[in-house]
Amino acid sequence: ETGVTQSPTHLIKTRGQQVTLRCSSQSGHNTVSWYQQALGQGPQFIFQYYREEENGRGNFPPRFSGLQFPNYSSELNVNALELDDSALYLCASNPGGRTDTQYFGPGTRLTVL
Amino acid sequence: SQKIEQNSEALNIQEGKTATLTCNYTNYSPAYLQWYRQDPGRGPVFLLLIRENEKEKRKERLKVTFDTTLKQSLFHITASQPADSATYLCALQNTGGFKTIFGAGTRLFVKA
Repeated sequence: ETGVTQSPTHLIKTRGQQVTLRCSSQSGHNTVSWYQQALGQGPQFIFQYYREEENGRGNFPPRFSGLQFPNYSSELNVNALELDDSALYLCASNPGGRTDTQYFGPGTRLTVL
Repeated sequence: SQKIEQNSEALNIQEGKTATLTCNYTNYSPAYLQWYRQDPGRGPVFLLLIRENEKEKRKERLKVTFDTTLKQSLFHITASQPADSATYLCALQNTGGFKTIFGAGTRLFVKA
């Protein structure tokens, strides 16, 4: 076990709705990254937070946003859900500002109908 | 654009044999290359990291090679076991480490 937890495990939403996914990192891990993994694909980098500030972003639109809190928890928010947003959403944490070794959570399976 | 290619077809091998998985990349100069294992419905689990100035890294039954000239990494599992059956992901990071690029993974089946 990596010590990284995510909630909920599964979620079903309809197109146009908004969703918030949560992640709890290991204590002392100041960096958290979020990934989207479609079926049969590798994880795609959404963004990274370090000490509550976004410090890197992948090719995702602004309707994907995040927050990181001082208690090592974080959120991924997605507005105006689209069918293609259906995927496994993963968070990964590591202790420093660099991401050389990441500890992944089990993921949240989001289905958009 | 940056691209990572892994064996798209599943790899089937017999227990006890060595499994070799390939990761090729283009348009990228990574500082680090990593291998992860992912089981169905679970998050990836870190296995090994190799730096750009390293040629080979070993950990128990695992061995990774990194050829920055060929832009290729090979991942070996010796004395494979059915429990090694999983998807193996290759991932690249630059020096800044702000963004990790993953390949699509190779599915490995080890038959008893």
